Amino acid sequence: GQQLNQSPQSMFIQEGEDVSMNCTSSSIFNTWLWYKQDPGEGPVLLIALYKAGELTSNGRLTAQFGITRKDSFLNISASIPSDVGIYFCAGQGGETSGSRLTFGEGTQLTVNP
Amino acid sequence: DTEVTQTPKHLVMGMTNKKSLKCEQHMGHRAMYWYKQKAKKPPELMFVYSYEKLSINESVPSRFSPECPNSSLLNLHLHALQPEDSALYLCASSRKGLAGGASTDTQYFGPGTRLTVL
Repeated sequence: GQQLNQSPQSMFIQEGEDVSMNCTSSSIFNTWLWYKQDPGEGPVLLIALYKAGELTSNGRLTAQFGITRKDSFLNISASIPSDVGIYFCAGQGGETSGSRLTFGEGTQLTVNP
Repeated sequence: DTEVTQTPKHLVMGMTNKKSLKCEQHMGHRAMYWYKQKAKKPPELMFVYSYEKLSINESVPSRFSPECPNSSLLNLHLHALQPEDSALYLCASSRKGLAGGASTDTQYFGPGTRLTVL
């Protein structure tokens, strides 16, 4: 089946720094999604990308759908303590997955005040 | 409004108990999902209902029994669980329902039920 490689696995940064994380796949997806999950809560959708090459912003978040349809990145600018959590990328609508979500392993973000 | 609600928030049960998890959405979504999530791991798909019919069962043991009474509600009935079934159980919904091929449909997750099996 399809697999996503998400990196880095964890990040420890100072408040105010910018953050970048990415996901790559061996096969194409039609949609890339980025979710954030706080401890004990469900994943919350941050950004959805539907078109190759698309660059989308949501406040301090920016995400891009790679032109090859096999990768995506998420940037967070000027991080704040409430950015702490696990960030998951997910690909959807690939050659074999249909509507299933294929998740990356997550990036654990820690922000030191 | 993209709210999916789940009850209870926490559940502790013994291996001989029978309990149920509930999920509700009022967004008119036609697909609903159950996922299981272990600590610091991504969610794993268990079941998908599309237009109130079970469309996908990811080879889940029969001690987990899903039910979709109507288009807004999704239940997960639990019986004779094992301690390794302890996890966060997530419900999600999406607008269009399943379609084959390369169709995509954004999924929105509920807050989850933290299940502990003793």
